[in-house]
Amino acid sequence: AQRVTQPEKLLSVFKGAPVELKCNYSYSGSPELFWYVQYSRQRLQLLLRHISRESIKGFTADLNKGETSFHLKKPFAQEEDSAMYYCALSRGSTLGRLYFGRGTQLTVWP
Amino acid sequence: DAGVIQSPRHEVTEMGQEVTLRCKPISGHDYLFWYRQTMMRGLELLIYFNNNVPIDDSGMPEDRFSAKMPNASFSTLKIQPSEPRDSAVYFCASSLRAYEQFFGPGTRLTVL
Repeated sequence: AQRVTQPEKLLSVFKGAPVELKCNYSYSGSPELFWYVQYSRQRLQLLLRHISRESIKGFTADLNKGETSFHLKKPFAQEEDSAMYYCALSRGSTLGRLYFGRGTQLTVWP
Repeated sequence: DAGVIQSPRHEVTEMGQEVTLRCKPISGHDYLFWYRQTMMRGLELLIYFNNNVPIDDSGMPEDRFSAKMPNASFSTLKIQPSEPRDSAVYFCASSLRAYEQFFGPGTRLTVL
């Protein structure tokens, strides 16, 4: 079975500090991993996916198959980064279906 | 494109009443998902459809919940009878084969 774990329900940092949102997964196959973000009063939306290897809004995430992790990182947090972040996994073979973690509420203090 | 459309945006009802939530996916998308979001359990997948056919409804809490997709541009999630523990935000999302799901604004349901 597959599972996505986000160990921190709440995370607070000060503006300009580095931030890391943790995501661990369990899946025996080759997963696709994603980060979705939900800003206040906005829709849940895709932030980035590991296969794209891109940086969005200064965020990056590297898939570590050895540690089965996909942590989201940003070197200098901004107040506008405050949001709920969800890590999600796709099994690939089941097209379309995503398995979400429980989410981490990030607050960036001024 | 207005994106995924959900109605109503807010619903307040009394325990025992029937509740119907509606969703219009993005035109051309072939997958549709219904999620429930609560503080305690996070984002839970209730059911999803592919080409209007239900693929997996294992997340539907119980028989009080039912979902239909009569055509490619419309889906409903019905709760009958509703209970206070059904209070949550219900999201609809759609996607085109690939993995990016586009979410609607959600329906905030309160059952008194």
